[in-house]
Amino acid sequence: NAGVTQTPKFRVLKTGQSMTLLCAQDMNHEYMYWYRQDPGMGLRLIHYSVGEGTTAKGEVPDGYNVSRLKKQNFLLGLESAAPSQTSVYFCASSYRQEGNQPQHFGDGTRLSIL
Amino acid sequence: SQQGEEDPQALSIQEGENATMNCSYKTSINNLQWYRQNSGRGLVHLILIRSNEREKHSGRLRVTLDTSKKSSSLLITASRAADTASYFCATVIQGAQKLVFGQGTRLTINP
Repeated sequence: NAGVTQTPKFRVLKTGQSMTLLCAQDMNHEYMYWYRQDPGMGLRLIHYSVGEGTTAKGEVPDGYNVSRLKKQNFLLGLESAAPSQTSVYFCASSYRQEGNQPQHFGDGTRLSIL
Repeated sequence: SQQGEEDPQALSIQEGENATMNCSYKTSINNLQWYRQNSGRGLVHLILIRSNEREKHSGRLRVTLDTSKKSSSLLITASRAADTASYFCATVIQGAQKLVFGQGTRLTINP
């Protein structure tokens, strides 16, 4: 039982390049989330999904797109990377969004944009 | 926007001592959760306390919630080196149904 798996773990991009971060969970969770963590800022919600085929914007969605084609996968895309998107990205999942269930996190993707 | 603010930002104590971290928030909540993050790893859920609860225990962890003061505290008793980590509070704002994280407290346990 792997829990939440994020790939890749590290990536360096040049400004303007695109990439996709993959999150996979094997707990049959309905809800999935993408956060970014920056020094002194805590975690901020980028996008989330309440089920297969659905996505919604979080607190800082600009510059990112997401897709949830399969229940177990949640993809985060950067179409044209900018230095401001240098961050650590965390994926999480939970049974419900109401907050009455804990969120399970992956170990993060460390992304640097040069 | 940061709903929760942890205090202190950093805490360093000797192994065996108790560690107390505080979290304050701004708006009414459904519940409050505490998470731990070890260096280079993801967050791990520790405990959830609902708005109608005042205290909750889990092993060496004790969480209190004072909704009148909009604050919570996390107490770790008999600290161990393995407790060295960052600790985050996260609130579920009424009506918003999303977790909002604070900036965290960095706890260092010295052997």
